[in-house]
Amino acid sequence: EIVLTQSPTTMAASPGEKVTLTCRASSSVSYMHWYQQRSGASPKLWIYETSKLASGVPNRFSGSGSGTSYSLTINSMETEDAATYYCQQGSSYPFTFGSGTKLEIK
Amino acid sequence: EIQLQESGPGLVKPSQSLSLTCSVTGYTITSGYDWSWIRKFPGNKMEWMGYISYSGSTNYNPSLKSRISITRDTSKNQFFLQLNSVTTEDTATYYCARGQLDWYFDFWGPGTMVTVSS
Repeated sequence: EIVLTQSPTTMAASPGEKVTLTCRASSSVSYMHWYQQRSGASPKLWIYETSKLASGVPNRFSGSGSGTSYSLTINSMETEDAATYYCQQGSSYPFTFGSGTKLEIK
Repeated sequence: EIQLQESGPGLVKPSQSLSLTCSVTGYTITSGYDWSWIRKFPGNKMEWMGYISYSGSTNYNPSLKSRISITRDTSKNQFFLQLNSVTTEDTATYYCARGQLDWYFDFWGPGTMVTVSS
């Protein structure tokens, strides 16, 4: 099973600040996918196939990476971006998720 | 637009079976894609449990293989989760979701919380 390790576990950012969340895989994966989850809501697909933004996702978000190291970047933090972000790999069964990064607004 | 909705008991006793239904509207589950169950434990860990494909084949997480069954009713456009011999460690929010070709999940239900307790 591929283990995904996200860092940091929790962070706070000020409006306008650049934010980078990372996800490291225990073995190489072809793509990484990211989800945003707000409290009380179901996860929403946010970034798929490493760098493609899901429908409705603002273009201040971007994704990058390859192999075992991936990241999600917010160019300029906004209040509405406060949420928990999960990475997920679908390259190898069983599909696995990271433990999440909780992003808060300062 | 496609919508998924989970339903089922919110409380299950230890050693009993957990049964949930996912009702899909806006897309016919036999037309394509794969249909998964995913759960989120208290404390945020998420686990993919398994899927049933549009053709009816199934694939399960090995951690659950002896306890899980995913089936469907194509006439009602629903798929189901059965998890046997539950323990308190199966307490979680359960989601159904649609899986895309590169194995990401593009549509999710709102989730249903299941507590295992006597």
